[in-house]
Amino acid sequence: EVQLVESGGGLVQPGGSLRLSCAASGFTFSSYWMSWVRQAPGKGLEWVANIKQDGSEKYYVDSVKGRFTISRDNAKNSLYLQMNSLRAEDTAVYYCARDYTPYDAFDIWGQGTMVTVSS
Amino acid sequence: SYELTQPLSVSVALGQTARITCGGNNIGSKNVHWYQQKPGQAPVLVIYRDSNRPSGIPERFSGSNSGNTATLTISRAQAGDEADYYCQVWDSSTAVFGTGTKVTVL
Repeated sequence: EVQLVESGGGLVQPGGSLRLSCAASGFTFSSYWMSWVRQAPGKGLEWVANIKQDGSEKYYVDSVKGRFTISRDNAKNSLYLQMNSLRAEDTAVYYCARDYTPYDAFDIWGQGTMVTVSS
Repeated sequence: SYELTQPLSVSVALGQTARITCGGNNIGSKNVHWYQQKPGQAPVLVIYRDSNRPSGIPERFSGSNSGNTATLTISRAQAGDEADYYCQVWDSSTAVFGTGTKVTVL
């Protein structure tokens, strides 16, 4: 079964850091671009970042540039999001998603992990 | 930055047709994808590249895209179609989601 499972969410103080992980199974992880998408409570979807199959290209939404880093380990079939200098507005459910093909639809989504930034 | 505008809500009678619009500057030149999200669940892709249905998505879901508007059509609406729907495109290496539409089946 094709599956993405996120972990690593939790409560963190403003200015703190958190690292999210996404474990992939059921498909050849190294063949796909991967993305992180977030959703603040009661709000819509917001794309955060994506990464090429070999990690050589990465793109970010302006609001997280310089604070978040996307990475992957194809040997471990895992995607990561290192989040630093966290702000209250980063509070959201974070989903990892598979890019069907580059710059195409997100065809597989994880169940999400909640990140709460609060003192 | 590129923006996609959707109506906040759409209501449809059981068994009738719902149309959800997604407005964007010359959106007809882009590939549009649509997602369904039910409360407490992850989004699910229902239409990709304007009008293609992934396997497992009912034929009742269809899409079109032209000019400045893309449209998701839900025919013979069922109670299980109640959800939030989002359109999405790519613009300058950035994924952009629409504002989202809540569909209510009466």
